[in-house]
Parts: sequence; C-alpha cells; structure tokens
Amino acid sequence: EPEVTQTPSHQVTQMGQEVILRCVPISNHLYFYWYRQILGQKVEFLVSFYNNEISEKSEIFDDQFSVERPDGSNFTLKIRSTKLEDSAMYFCASSEGGYMNTEAFFGQGTRLTVV
Amino acid sequence: GQQVMQIPQYQHVQEGEDFTTYCNSSTTLSNIQWYKQRPGGHPVFLIQLVKSGEVKKQKRLTFQFGEAKKNSSLHITATQTTDVGTYFCAGRTGTYKYIFGTGTRLKVLA
Repeated sequence: EPEVTQTPSHQVTQMGQEVILRCVPISNHLYFYWYRQILGQKVEFLVSFYNNEISEKSEIFDDQFSVERPDGSNFTLKIRSTKLEDSAMYFCASSEGGYMNTEAFFGQGTRLTVV
Repeated sequence: GQQVMQIPQYQHVQEGEDFTTYCNSSTTLSNIQWYKQRPGGHPVFLIQLVKSGEVKKQKRLTFQFGEAKKNSSLHITATQTTDVGTYFCAGRTGTYKYIFGTGTRLKVLA
C-alpha cells in the first residue's frame, strides 16, 4: 500500500540552527501538507501546497518556515532558525486532490527536538 | 481565530461499553473529517462528512454532521481494546486547510 515517508524519524538540533525535514508524498497525489503536534496536544495545520506554490498557511507558518518541492518526489519543510518552542512532531501529509478528494494520508512523522 | 473543540478530553470505558466524542466548531465548516491516532502513531483517516445532517456508519462507528455544519459526533458501539487512541475531528475552513479539534483520548479497560 502506498505511504507517505518522512526522514529523519528524529532530529536533534541546537537552538538557532536551520533544519530541513523531508517527505516523500504518495506518487499520484497533488496536494501536500505539513502539520505539527506538540507532545500530547492537538495536530496543528502549518501549510498546504499545490502546483508548486503555497495554497494556505496558518499563523504559525511565519517567515522562519518555508516549503519546497525540489524535484518530482520530495517535499521539504525548512525552519531557518529553530527555537525551543519548535520542538514537536512534524507530520507531512498528502492527498489526491480535488474538492472532494481531500482524505489526507499522514507520514510517520519527524520528532524535532531543539536544545 | 477559528477553533474546533472536542469533548470529552479523556474517556475511560470498560470493554463493551459505548463511547461518544463531540466536536464543535466556532464557524461553519465546508466538511469535516475524523482521524484516529494510536499512541505514538500518526493520524489515520477514518471518514469525511460533507452534507448537513449526514450520518455515516463504519461497522461499530457512527459519524454524524450537524444540521448547521458546526458540530459533529463519533459514536463507537461496544468498544474493544483495539479502539484505544485519540480521536480527532478536523474541520475544513479553507480550500485546503483543516483545523484539527482538541482530540478525545479513549482508553478501553479489558
């Protein structure tokens, strides 16, 4: 069964450093998302991406964040200068697309720890 | 901002008992999705509801979307230990933007 894959599974970084989280969405999906989940809390929407541009973003997704689809398969989230409060599980998700086909398939997540 | 709240936050039930979680949005939603997240896992899509008043069933799970499209519920009949996890609703508020609810953590005691 096709799945969304994320690497690395766990990333530890120093405060102020840049991190790039990587995702390979399901191959025929057109819409891509990043969510984050602080331990024990709800899943928070960060950004949606379609046709090589951001569709929507939340208030959390400020200038420190950026997304990119550098080639035909990868989808990345970059945090430019990490803060302690960026520590969370980051989930990538993808969906086929179309107004009705928005069932999101989530990856296993990358646990980011900022120290 | 837009908020999606769920109650209860936690629920412990004996195996075989029923369970219901309620989802309430501060704004009208285009549609609503439900996800299940096992401990240490990732959200897994369960269902999508689109129409006002819609009811859908999946085996022991019944999902309902309110008439005003601002609330929803998930009911599990005769819970099993495999139902353990956190259940999230996610309301569509934009073209491709979903706001997740606060979640209900279900524990089933054997």
